Amino acid sequence: GAVVSQHPSWVICKSGTSVKIECRSLDFQATTMFWYRQFPKQSLMLMATSNEGSKATYEQGVEKDKFLINHASLTLSTLTVTSAHPEDSSFYICSARGPSGRNEQFFGPGTRLTVL
Amino acid sequence: GENVEQHPSTLSVQEGDSAVIKCTYSDSASNYFPWYKQELGKGPQLIIDIRSNVGEKKDQRIAVTLNKTAKHFSLHITETQPEDSAVYFCAATGKTSYDKVIFGPGTSLSVIP
Repeated sequence: GAVVSQHPSWVICKSGTSVKIECRSLDFQATTMFWYRQFPKQSLMLMATSNEGSKATYEQGVEKDKFLINHASLTLSTLTVTSAHPEDSSFYICSARGPSGRNEQFFGPGTRLTVL
Repeated sequence: GENVEQHPSTLSVQEGDSAVIKCTYSDSASNYFPWYKQELGKGPQLIIDIRSNVGEKKDQRIAVTLNKTAKHFSLHITETQPEDSAVYFCAATGKTSYDKVIFGPGTSLSVIP
């Protein structure tokens, strides 16, 4: 149980285009999901907290108009990187609060974004 | 806000030896401390966690200890195997379900056959 999937697993796009990444909780409902970004050999940096049915909460320094988050259902959150640039190339990982309602977070496999 | 430090940044051990990774946190309100293992190109995997009302927890070859007074917690892996090689992250989070998980900088563990 508590499986989180992401799609796509990797994507290459041209500079200036937008890319959408999906995060799904497969066998449980998640009212709260989290989006992280990870650069090579670095730790995970929280970008935003995604709450079902309401606006996402962004961390300081993360542009909400550039990283659009939609959490329209209890099993799906999406992150759209708008007008992507090479510096947006990174490993994007989502997580979902576990079904027990406690603190556990379960992570997706990540999405490797490369912007040319 | 919470700040988590982790040491060492890299660790090499011979197969069969033990590995210890240590973390400290700053926010005394934090009460949940998970450990994640991340293999190259994959998402983090929860391997063990401990809550503030417990001082030690063990799961087969993995154990975690917590000293709330000193704000220290540690991961112990015994009888290491090559497949234990990965990056390990400690983390801390608070009481409510909406509290953020704050990650340490990670430890790259290499188990030499």
